[in-house]
Amino acid sequence: GQSLEQPSEVTAVEGAIVQINCTYQTSGFYGLSWYQQHDGGAPTFLSYNALDGLEETGRFSSFLSRSDSYGYLLLQELQMKDSASYFCAVRDEGQNFVFGPGTRLSVLP
Amino acid sequence: NAGVTQTPKFRILKIGQSMTLQCTQDMNHNYMYWYRQDPGMGLKLIYYSVGAGITDKGEVPNGYNVSRSTTEDFPLRLELAAPSQTSVYFCASSPVPPDFGSGTRLTVV
Repeated sequence: GQSLEQPSEVTAVEGAIVQINCTYQTSGFYGLSWYQQHDGGAPTFLSYNALDGLEETGRFSSFLSRSDSYGYLLLQELQMKDSASYFCAVRDEGQNFVFGPGTRLSVLP
Repeated sequence: NAGVTQTPKFRILKIGQSMTLQCTQDMNHNYMYWYRQDPGMGLKLIYYSVGAGITDKGEVPNGYNVSRSTTEDFPLRLELAAPSQTSVYFCASSPVPPDFGSGTRLTVV
């Protein structure tokens, strides 16, 4: 079967750094994506890793280790507006995007 | 480009009624997806399509039908609405990774 695991909740203060981990088990692997979703909104794309290593986009970075079936999203210089749910998603051999259960990030002042 | 457009944004259905959720994209993407998201949960794949005339079941297809007569349109049909189908429905299209529409909030009473 297909499964992705993420922590359910993470809390941090403004200006801090937080890491959200994702482990996956899927039939085939064609990349790990990260999405942000604010309450009542649609998921919005943050980053995509097809190969091992670190991808940096402004305050957000994403890492992938295919040998460990593991990735993480790193958020730096946290701001209040970063409070949201974050989902990892894997593209599998059936061209499906399978989503993790999501991590709710709360940023405190 | 308008991206992925979903209509309606909100709908209340009575048990046993039918309806079609519309999804249109103007990016000439081959891949399109329908997800549902229950409160506080991740996204679950209902159906997907890799091109016009081709559709396939995702994780939770029961109670739904889709068609893909054109590249642009990917409607989702609910034939006999049930309370368990109360959810937020998102349509997405890609190449990698998917862009999401704004969602349809459906309540079945």
